[in-house]
Amino acid sequence: GESVGLHLPTLSVQEGDNSIINCAYSNSASDYFIWYKQESGKGPQFIIDIRSNMDKRQGQRVTVLLNKTVKHLSLQIAATQPGDSAVYFCAENNGGATNKLIFGTGTLLAVQP
Amino acid sequence: KAGVTQTPRYLIKTRGQQVTLSCSPISGHRSVSWYQQTPGQGLQFLFEYFSETQRNKGNFPGRFSGRQFSNSRSEMNVSTLELGDSALYLCASSSYRAGETQYFGPGTRLLVL
Repeated sequence: GESVGLHLPTLSVQEGDNSIINCAYSNSASDYFIWYKQESGKGPQFIIDIRSNMDKRQGQRVTVLLNKTVKHLSLQIAATQPGDSAVYFCAENNGGATNKLIFGTGTLLAVQP
Repeated sequence: KAGVTQTPRYLIKTRGQQVTLSCSPISGHRSVSWYQQTPGQGLQFLFEYFSETQRNKGNFPGRFSGRQFSNSRSEMNVSTLELGDSALYLCASSSYRAGETQYFGPGTRLLVL
């Protein structure tokens, strides 16, 4: 069935280091991918997205990489800060005429000062 | 622009009762989606409404229903509450096209006793 899974449930990094959060998806028909950040007690916050016709997209301190060959998505956070501590979710929209998102299980990013 | 708002933020109900949750999308957004978030199942798609019509539905029992009004505000209803319905219910809005960025509200935390 359709699924989006994360390899690492918890990632601990030192402040200032770069973080890489990975995600695997199974539906090759998916054409839109999004990364969300969720802090405790809050709803998911949009970070960055990428469409299937791209393999890389950069934002402010974040980069998303898409490898369609192996159905893999990653989020890179440069110079990780304590404020980046949160749960990160990848999500896929598998095309069609709806906005249904399939979410991964989430990765907890813990930034050590 | 104001973000997605959800009311109430917290709710306590007992088994067998019903509950109605409300979501006001970002101004100009016409698509509203609902998700259930639990520690065990993660984020799961409930349904999506666009122009007052249900455009897609997730794999939830018929006790879960929703509707959308002409001003794009949406409500979801859960009848005959069960303990397992305790969750964070999240609403997300996006513009009219499918596959567009969805922005989430803070959620309604429902506790069923």
